[in-house]
Amino acid sequence: ETGVTQSPTHLIKTRGQQVTLRCSSQSGHNTVSWYQQALGQGPQFIFQYYREEENGRGNFPPRFSGLQFPNYSSELNVNALELDDSALYLCASSLAGNGANVLTFGAGSRLTVL
Amino acid sequence: KQEVTQIPAALSVPEGENLVLNCSFTDSAIYNLQWFRQDPGKGLTSLLLIQSSQREQTSGRLNASLDKSSGRSTLYIAASQPGDSATYLCAVSGRGSTLGRLYFGRGTQLTVWP
Repeated sequence: ETGVTQSPTHLIKTRGQQVTLRCSSQSGHNTVSWYQQALGQGPQFIFQYYREEENGRGNFPPRFSGLQFPNYSSELNVNALELDDSALYLCASSLAGNGANVLTFGAGSRLTVL
Repeated sequence: KQEVTQIPAALSVPEGENLVLNCSFTDSAIYNLQWFRQDPGKGLTSLLLIQSSQREQTSGRLNASLDKSSGRSTLYIAASQPGDSATYLCAVSGRGSTLGRLYFGRGTQLTVWP
């Protein structure tokens, strides 16, 4: 059984650029959630994908968008990067309907915006 | 809106001490509560999950309790070790449309010195 894998692990971008982060969910999981964790803060929910559709969104602007693919992997896209987008981006997968709502987190992608 | 608070923000203790980390949440309509461990720059490792109908969970030297009516949880660490040094995060899962979305506290940064 493989866990959640994220790529890239680190990346540096400049203001105004666009970034795509990738996540492979744990085997058997069908739901992916994305979180943003700024330095010294707890993770903040960005959105969740189930059956390739967005299924809940936190307080993030539309320039944060995502995709889920038929194999349940997912992408997070951020357009027009701002300095405050610098953070650790965490992906978590889970199995919808299992009653326990247990999320498995990846190691994260560290984004630095200069 | 659910708010999660963790006290203390930081804790530094000698090896061998028994510790209590506190978590409080404002909306008692939760699905479950989880405690996570996060090592510097890393992802989240789930330690304990308590369903809303349960009062406590135990794993090794860790014990977590939940008092849903008062909006509180505690994580008890027995006989602390230097390897326990990490940030401990508390998260609650909402019901209904927010099921699957976790609300995190800012964490307690624990240092256990030999």
